[in-house]
Amino acid sequence: GQNIDQPTEMTATEGAIVQINCTYQTSGFNGLFWYQQHAGEAPTFLSYNVLDGLEEKGRFSSFLSRSKGYSYLLLKELQMKDSASYLCAVSNSGNTPLVFGKGTRLSVIA
Amino acid sequence: DSGVTQTPKHLITATGQRVTLRCSPRSGDLSVYWYQQSLDQGLQFLIHYYNGEERAKGNILERFSAQQFPDLHSELNLSSLELGDSALYFCASSPHLRPGPNQPQHFGDGTRLSIL
Repeated sequence: GQNIDQPTEMTATEGAIVQINCTYQTSGFNGLFWYQQHAGEAPTFLSYNVLDGLEEKGRFSSFLSRSKGYSYLLLKELQMKDSASYLCAVSNSGNTPLVFGKGTRLSVIA
Repeated sequence: DSGVTQTPKHLITATGQRVTLRCSPRSGDLSVYWYQQSLDQGLQFLIHYYNGEERAKGNILERFSAQQFPDLHSELNLSSLELGDSALYFCASSPHLRPGPNQPQHFGDGTRLSIL
């Protein structure tokens, strides 16, 4: 089976940097996705990692270490609109759908 | 706009009833996935269809069923509804069998189902 762990909640200050961690256990790893979900809305795709290292996309970056089963999402220059849940999801070569973690609820405060 | 269309946006019904949720995937996407999200819960995978065929089943109750039609739209049927079925139901689509680089799952806006 697969197991994905993320912190339940985090709080950070506007303008700051926050790192949201995700650890996973899976067989046949085939990529890791990060999604953002505002309350009551659809998840929206943020990033994809399949090789070790850092992928940067504007204010958001995502890191992957396959040997450690670990990823993080880094959000820079936080804005109030970044308050949302951030979902880590893993793809493996066996099952076809993504398996999602429970998500980390980020609150950005002034 | 993700390109995935779900109808209806809201549905209010009573226990014991049956409802059908509809999903049109993005143009060209062959995979359709259904997820359930209860209040403050994570996304629970229900079922995956690829090009008309069922490919994977998650924690889907026997009271629930789905299908994907030749035009690739999908329907999720929920019957003998219970209070605990109240949730957001999301449909997602992707181009191929598995999500991958430049081929993530894109989600519709969901159907909010309320059982009274």
